[in-house]
Amino acid sequence: DTGVSQNPRHKITKRGQNVTFRCDPISEHNRLYWYRQTLGQGPEFLTYFQNEAQLEKSRLLSDRFSAERPKGSFSTLEIQRTEQGDSAMYLCASSLGQTGSTRQYFGPGTRLTVT
Amino acid sequence: DQQVKQNSPSLSVQEGRISILNCDYTNSMFDYFLWYKKYPAEGPTFLISISSIKDKNEDGRFTVFLNKSAKHLSLHIVPSQPGDSAVYFCAASGRGSQGNLIFGKGTKLSVKP
Repeated sequence: DTGVSQNPRHKITKRGQNVTFRCDPISEHNRLYWYRQTLGQGPEFLTYFQNEAQLEKSRLLSDRFSAERPKGSFSTLEIQRTEQGDSAMYLCASSLGQTGSTRQYFGPGTRLTVT
Repeated sequence: DQQVKQNSPSLSVQEGRISILNCDYTNSMFDYFLWYKKYPAEGPTFLISISSIKDKNEDGRFTVFLNKSAKHLSLHIVPSQPGDSAVYFCAASGRGSQGNLIFGKGTKLSVKP
């Protein structure tokens, strides 16, 4: 079990630039989630995939955000025209199962700083 | 409106004593609850979970209690150890939510030697 990995671990970008993050879930996990965490808050749900299908999106996921999970393996989260309010820790999690009552395994996160 | 609330931002406990972390929720559709521990610069690590059909689940030093009528759950750590010092998040998942977790804001636990 190699765990969930995320790259890069840290990203500093200037406002208006595009950024892309990658998440590699635990290999047999069919579900993959993206969350965002800001200082003093718990993780907030952004979007979720079951295999390659994106099944749910939060209202937090503006049209500047896009996520993909080609072939149901790794996932990418892209933020276009970054804003200072996008500065946060972006967390990826994966799980195995067909219902919501399953444990999610989190990666170490990507910390984004927009200057 | 926060659906999962952790009203104590911090808790300080002496090593060897019991730590009790509390969590309240408002959505009666939640049927699965989890506790995660988070160290700085790391992702949350799963600790323990409980389904709404149970009122208690135990795993080593960690026990979670669920009071559905009060919409309240608590995490007990006995005995507390300095390595338990971290931020603890309560999370909930509901029927039909496809499993995305709703988190509280966390409680920072400090266990003093």
